[in-house]
Amino acid sequence: KNQVEQSPQSLIILEGKNCTLQCNYTVSPFSNLRWYKQDTGRGPVSLTIMTFSENTKSNGRYTATLDADTKQSSLHITASQLSDSASYICVVSDRGSTLGRLYFGRGTQLTVWP
Amino acid sequence: EADIYQTPRYLVIGTGKKITLECSQTMGHDKMYWYQQDPGMELHLIHYSYGVNSTEKGDLSSESTVSRIRTEHFPLTLESARPSHTSQYLCASSGIMTSGYKYNEQFFGPGTRLTVL
Repeated sequence: KNQVEQSPQSLIILEGKNCTLQCNYTVSPFSNLRWYKQDTGRGPVSLTIMTFSENTKSNGRYTATLDADTKQSSLHITASQLSDSASYICVVSDRGSTLGRLYFGRGTQLTVWP
Repeated sequence: EADIYQTPRYLVIGTGKKITLECSQTMGHDKMYWYQQDPGMELHLIHYSYGVNSTEKGDLSSESTVSRIRTEHFPLTLESARPSHTSQYLCASSGIMTSGYKYNEQFFGPGTRLTVL
């Protein structure tokens, strides 16, 4: 069964600190993995997207890594800001259909305190 | 920021009412999607469309219906709303290589928060 598991479920950190969010997946055949940021009451916004040949991808203070062998990904946030408070969702796409089906994790709810 | 819009953003209605959630995109994307999301849960695909006059049901069974008469417009309708329909509904669109985006990346609208009393 194609699944995407994220940890931790929630995380509280102080402003300025770093944090790392984890994602494990069983989706096959694998096409790509994306990290989205979803603010409360809003739609998800893409942060990074990686194929199996890409090990790391950065977007400002966000750095995603991918290990296609172990089917694990992480999202590292550097020097956190209050605006980073949001849900971070790991999404994996398969290449077994023309639709490019997406499999969503439940997200990690990050809260940044001043 | 993606050019995909949803209205209304919030809707509170009584049981039995007919409602239509609007979704439109200005990117010329051929594929469009509707997702349902409950608090703290993952997004579930309920409908999708490959293009005009194409509609398919997603992974999660839904009593809603959709139509795709124009490329840019993908409305979702509930004929008779019930409290079990209370949820957040997210619309998305994607277009392969149509605007320089690879990987069939989906762009999401802001969502409609529906509450049925």
